[in-house]
Amino acid sequence: NAGVTQTPKFRVLKTGQSMTLLCAQDMNHEYMYWYRQDPGMGLRLIHYSVGEGTTAKGEVPDGYNVSRLKKQNFLLGLESAAPSQTSVYFCASGQILASGANVLTFGAGSRLTVL
Amino acid sequence: RKEVEQDPGPFNVPEGATVAFNCTYSNSASQSFFWYRQDCRKEPKLLMSVYSSGNEDGRFTAQLNRASQYISLLIRDSKLSDSATYLCVVNMYDFGNEKLTFGTGTRLTIIP
Repeated sequence: NAGVTQTPKFRVLKTGQSMTLLCAQDMNHEYMYWYRQDPGMGLRLIHYSVGEGTTAKGEVPDGYNVSRLKKQNFLLGLESAAPSQTSVYFCASGQILASGANVLTFGAGSRLTVL
Repeated sequence: RKEVEQDPGPFNVPEGATVAFNCTYSNSASQSFFWYRQDCRKEPKLLMSVYSSGNEDGRFTAQLNRASQYISLLIRDSKLSDSATYLCVVNMYDFGNEKLTFGTGTRLTIIP
């Protein structure tokens, strides 16, 4: 069981370039998330999806777009990368327990540097 | 006031000691609580859920105090492998909408 797989693991971009981060999960979870993690800021939610074909904005959505065309995949796009988007990006999928609580499984992270 | 606040540490604790840290949350409607562990340059992983009655998993004990709006994590007989950052997570859900809020983490280093 692979769990949550993110690609690529590392990427260096120049300002203005575009790229897409791919997240794939094999646990049949409905919920998927993209977070960024910066020193001293903790995990901040960029976008999320509550099911195939749905997306919603999180806390810091500006400069990012997402798509959830298939249940198992959640793509994060940067149309025109900026140095402020240098960060570690984590994808997660959520399992909703009978209690309603949401337990997340994270991917290994994608380290992005924008020069 | 931040929605979820943690003492960032670092906590430097000798091996074998007991260490505890708290996490406070601002929204009294919060319904579920978790501790995640994150090793350096790795992804967060669920350590344990926190139940109203308190719960224990081996050397780890989690407690919830709804009146004072904090959760705690106690680690007994600490091991070198316990060195990590511990993230407090608060979950609120209502009418199909749910929100997970992460604390910034408490860094723990166990010293030989």
